[in-house]
Amino acid sequence: RKEVEQDPGPFNVPEGATVAFNCTYSNSASQSFFWYRQDCRKEPKLLMSVYSSGNEDGRFTAQLNRASQYISLLIRDSKLSDSATYLCVVNMNNNDMRFGAGTRLTVKP
Amino acid sequence: DADVTQTPRNRITKTGKRIMLECSQTKGHDRMYWYRQDPGLGLRLIYYSFDVKDINKGEISDGYSVSRQAQAKFSLSLESAIPNQTALYFCATSQLAGAYNEQFFGPGTRLTVL
Repeated sequence: RKEVEQDPGPFNVPEGATVAFNCTYSNSASQSFFWYRQDCRKEPKLLMSVYSSGNEDGRFTAQLNRASQYISLLIRDSKLSDSATYLCVVNMNNNDMRFGAGTRLTVKP
Repeated sequence: DADVTQTPRNRITKTGKRIMLECSQTKGHDRMYWYRQDPGLGLRLIYYSFDVKDINKGEISDGYSVSRQAQAKFSLSLESAIPNQTALYFCATSQLAGAYNEQFFGPGTRLTVL
């Protein structure tokens, strides 16, 4: 089993749609969690950290479920500019960061 | 100017050649990392360094070596390149902080080994 698993997609949604991605992780001792965004042929950039109580940043909501070992990212009112690959990142222990393979999102007009 | 820079941005080389990829940062961060990205596999950690005198192996260090010449510089070497080292390589930095330390990535180096 991979340490961090994501549905690779692609997710193709119309503008204005709500879309959700899940990510599962294998190490129950994992300390912290993140969603990064990667545009085609570019470097990953932090989208948001994921806190135990869940957190929201504008149209983006991140949730953590430690009991089931998954995190999620919800995007509301999708924009064309949201088209990218979304990487789930798990800090396994002592800053040993493990990346999922990414979920590709395309938002269409 | 970019905070994390990588040179070269693209490189094509032949099997058996020695290759060095350079990373420099102006963020003043102590921690630096080298990753490779392959389609369908995500980013995998090759080596990381928490300060100038500290070097640690990551998931996939075989076939690679690193040098932390200064706080701002971290280079990755392939002593004898092989085709399965063809990949996109990223350098990253982070502050010496707690669990929620953001990593900042360079623009990447696309390496092709023929």
